[in-house]
Amino acid sequence: AQSVTQLDSHVSVSEGTPVLLRCNYSSSYSPSLFWYVQHPNKGLQLLLKYTSAATLVKGINGFEAEFKKSETSFHLTKPSAHMSDAAEYFCVVTLMDSNYQLIWGAGTKLIIKP
Amino acid sequence: NAGVTQTPKFQVLKTGQSMTLQCAQDMNHEYMSWYRQDPGMGLRLIHYSVGAGITDQGEVPNGYNVSRSTTEDFPLRLLSAAPSQTSVYFCASSSSAGHNYNEQFFGPGTRLTVL
Repeated sequence: AQSVTQLDSHVSVSEGTPVLLRCNYSSSYSPSLFWYVQHPNKGLQLLLKYTSAATLVKGINGFEAEFKKSETSFHLTKPSAHMSDAAEYFCVVTLMDSNYQLIWGAGTKLIIKP
Repeated sequence: NAGVTQTPKFQVLKTGQSMTLQCAQDMNHEYMSWYRQDPGMGLRLIHYSVGAGITDQGEVPNGYNVSRSTTEDFPLRLLSAAPSQTSVYFCASSSSAGHNYNEQFFGPGTRLTVL
């Protein structure tokens, strides 16, 4: 069975410092992987996606993620946090033959300290 | 384009009542889906549709019905509301071509409370 684990429920960083949100997946097949962001009381927005092209994926707002097959990881990073990055982030996995279903991680709440 | 719209934004029901959550998209997307979001959990798929007239169950379908008579609309019906259905509900759509690689567009959500 496929699954996705976000290793931290909360991450707190100071403004201007790097951000690391961790995601591990398990899958018997080559996955597609996504990161979505949800700002407070807002809908969900795609940050970036990996679909078997380049392993380092760049997204919106300065975020990027690296697909590491050997570690089954897809961690999200940003060099310098901004107050507007405070939100909940979801790692999502889907299989090439998953019958249109996405598997969502439980989410990581990113807190930015001034 | 309005994107994905959902109504209502908030709803309070009593146990046993029925209601329909509305979802519409104007992007001519074939694929539409309904999720629920509960605290401490990711989104869980309730039902989905790959085109007009075609629907299928997701991870948590019990207590919910859907239909897809047009490409634009995908209503979610609660047959007899229960407190366990208190949640935030999101509708999403995407184009079907290479669906798994395409971005899902989400509506703003419906916050439902069942007393």
